[in-house]
Amino acid sequence: AQSVSQHNHHVILSEAASLELGCNYSYGGTVNLFWYVQYPGQHLQLLLKYFSGDPLVKGIKGFEAEFIKSKFSFNLRKPSVQWSDTAEYFCAVSLYGGSQGNLIFGKGTKLSVKP
Amino acid sequence: DTGVSQDPRHKITKRGQNVTFRCDPISEHNRLYWYRQTLGQGPEFLTYFQNEAQLEKSRLLSDRFSAERPKGSFSTLEIQRTEQGDSAMYLCASSLALAGGQETQYFGPGTRLLVL
Repeated sequence: AQSVSQHNHHVILSEAASLELGCNYSYGGTVNLFWYVQYPGQHLQLLLKYFSGDPLVKGIKGFEAEFIKSKFSFNLRKPSVQWSDTAEYFCAVSLYGGSQGNLIFGKGTKLSVKP
Repeated sequence: DTGVSQDPRHKITKRGQNVTFRCDPISEHNRLYWYRQTLGQGPEFLTYFQNEAQLEKSRLLSDRFSAERPKGSFSTLEIQRTEQGDSAMYLCASSLALAGGQETQYFGPGTRLLVL
């Protein structure tokens, strides 16, 4: 069965520090890749997505992610975090071109940014 | 607001009672998904609809769970004879599925269920 692994359960950073959150998936075929964010008290929001093409994708609020097919990875990065980035981040995968588009999520990484 | 809406936002019930949740998707979206999220976990797929047809159900969806999407618009998720293990956040998402499989799901705020 397909699965998604997020390496860190809780990351604590100071403002202006750089961020990288790891995400690996297990599926040999072509996938669609997503990062969702859940700010405190809010619902899941799409941060960025990858379907095909340039493996470096840019999302909202200065986030970007790089798809490395050989490593089955889709890590999320931000050069300089802000206190407002405090949230839980979920990596998710769906099967490209499948008739069923359900997302397989990782367990999430909680990011705490200290002001 | 044209996003996905869910009702109620919170539900407390006693074990053995039936509960029903409603999801209103983004209006032009043809797919609607239900997920369940427990503490410390990511959302887990339960079932989905393409228009009014329920096309897939996860093995997580026991026979106490039923979902409908009459007329391909809003959807309801019913849990019969609730158990304490059903306590979770129930999330709804909708998408516009196009040829080629490039589909983005947008989530509602969820219904938090607590079974006492």
